[in-house]
Amino acid sequence: DGGITQSPKYLFRKEGQNVTLSCEQNLNHDAMYWYRQDPGQGLRLIYYSQIVNDFQKGDIAEGYSVSREKKESFPLTVTSAQKNPTAFYLCASPAEPGDLYNEQFFGPGTRLTVL
Amino acid sequence: QKEVEQNSGPLSVPEGAIASLNCTYSDRGSQSFFWYRQYSGKSPELIMSIYSNGDKEDGRFTAQLNKASQYVSLLIRDSQPSDSATYLCAVGNRGSTLGRLYFGRGTQLTVWP
Repeated sequence: DGGITQSPKYLFRKEGQNVTLSCEQNLNHDAMYWYRQDPGQGLRLIYYSQIVNDFQKGDIAEGYSVSREKKESFPLTVTSAQKNPTAFYLCASPAEPGDLYNEQFFGPGTRLTVL
Repeated sequence: QKEVEQNSGPLSVPEGAIASLNCTYSDRGSQSFFWYRQYSGKSPELIMSIYSNGDKEDGRFTAQLNKASQYVSLLIRDSQPSDSATYLCAVGNRGSTLGRLYFGRGTQLTVWP
């Protein structure tokens, strides 16, 4: 997993509940990304951060929020506004700091299920 | 929206055969191309990267890139049952947002003994 950890591995959410997914990296990388994967689908970008205290929306940011207070941590909150949150969530970071060729490595993922 | 298309599959080949996976992309400015392997329930694992036209070989894997045709492929020689997985094609553009990749939906490969 290249020094990227995600927790929990499985998460269950009740309707109307906010939940936070953890992503930590010990690689000293500036950039971090959150993707969502649905069955039979590719990865869709939710949010990304290229530096501490800065982040940008990806393609499907509605219903999600993030923070980047520390370089090693990029937590994702799935809010009650996200109507279909059941999915596999993946955190990623480039292979080398400042890597221009965009090679990315992934954490082990969190599978979120709405009850 | 930059698009990455993969043959939807599923693709099924016998053990020892060559598996051919294909990917096309819409952004002509794309400069980096990746193949990820994803086993069921696991996160994607990078298996090949290619940046220049032509072939790149790594063991049983060969990536082929043709920027003029906006086409990238992955060949798996001497396929093994352990190669059974979903293969994701990803494309990046160094000129765009740093680190941004675009992914295809994946092709599911089954190698039967």
